Formats: sequence, C-alpha cells, structure tokens
Amino acid sequence: AQTVTQSQPEMSVQEAETVTLSCTYDTSESDYYLFWYKQPPSRQMILVIRQEAYKQQNATENRFSVNFQKAAKSFSLKISDSQLGDAAMYFCAYFTGANSKLTFGKGITLSVRP
Amino acid sequence: EPEVTQTPSHQVTQMGQEVILRCVPISNHLYFYWYRQILGQKVEFLVSFYNNEISEKSEIFDDQFSVERPDGSNFTLKIRSTKLEDSAMYFCASIQGSSYNEQFFGPGTRLTVL
Repeated sequence: AQTVTQSQPEMSVQEAETVTLSCTYDTSESDYYLFWYKQPPSRQMILVIRQEAYKQQNATENRFSVNFQKAAKSFSLKISDSQLGDAAMYFCAYFTGANSKLTFGKGITLSVRP
Repeated sequence: EPEVTQTPSHQVTQMGQEVILRCVPISNHLYFYWYRQILGQKVEFLVSFYNNEISEKSEIFDDQFSVERPDGSNFTLKIRSTKLEDSAMYFCASIQGSSYNEQFFGPGTRLTVL
C-alpha cells in the first residue's frame, strides 16, 4: 500500500525567508502524481503545486517549487519569500490517476513570523 | 472558474440521526470522491465513485455510509446513524479523468454530532 510520510509536525519561518517542507512516500508504482495542498484556517483544500513522476524537471509555481527525487521517493516543497498568508497546514499527497484515491500525509503546520 | 460546491457548510445533528451531505461536482467531471478530516488530523479517503457505482472504499466506509448520484449533478454522502466519532470535516472532490489529473475539492461540510 502507498504511504506518505511528513515527519515534521510544525515549522516556523521568518517573513521573507525561505522554508522547505519535507515529504517522503512509498510506492511500487512507476507512474504517479504528487501534490502539495495548503489548508488555511478556513479548512479549504487549496492545490499549491503538482508533479508528475515521469517528469524529471521539478515543478515551479511562482514562489513555490519542489525538489522531486524519484529514486529516493522524496518530494519537498520550498516556499521562497515567505508571506504571512502562507501560514497554514500543508499536506503532501500521492495519486496514481483517475479512479484512484489521494493518499495524504499527516500534514505540517507552518507559521510565519512577522 | 468552475468549482465543486457542498451543502450545508455546517451540520449539527444528534447521535443516531441520519445525515445527508450534498455535493455538486464540476459538470464535466467523471470521478467523484468523499474524504473526511477529523479536526487536527490528516485527510482520509472514504469512497470513490465512477459510472454510477463505487470504485473503491476504505475501511471507514462501513454499512452506515452510502453514496448516491441521484440526478446526474448531485453527489451525496449519507450516514444512516451518526456516531460521536463521525464528527469531522467532509470533503467532496471530483476529477475530469483526462490527462489533467487534479482532484478539485469542495469547501467541505463540517459535521458535528452531539
């Protein structure tokens, strides 16, 4: 069974600084997708960034980028120029495609210090 | 931009009562999901639904739960006899099923069982 591990329960970053959130996963599949979701206090699930496993290039979305290491089964999220609005719970998730489920990690609470 | 909607946003019920949580997925999406999140915990998969039948269900999705797509637009989750431990945030999600494999989440329904 696929598992997603986020071992850091909490992290804190100074505004305007860079922070990296870690995620590892376990799978025997070769083709899959990885996501980072942001969950603010409203509890809405907001997609931050996605990575297809067949792509070697790391995904980037504005201030958000990932470091995808397929062999190591590692998928970390880097947030550059952290803003107060980045404070939220962040979940790493794994997906093999339509008709399969998203498997989530336990999440990490990110706080941003002004 | 199309979005997944859920009603109600908050449901309070007495233990043992039946509740129906409603979702309207994005209109051209083919795969539908329910997830739940107990406060402060990770998001857990409940059930996936495709072509008018359940594709996969988790161990949480026991005989007290059922899903239905009664009219081609709504997608409902019914809990027949609620327990205290059913108190959680319930998220509906849908996916088109084409090459763009992102699950779009609704805003969630907060269920409180007293």
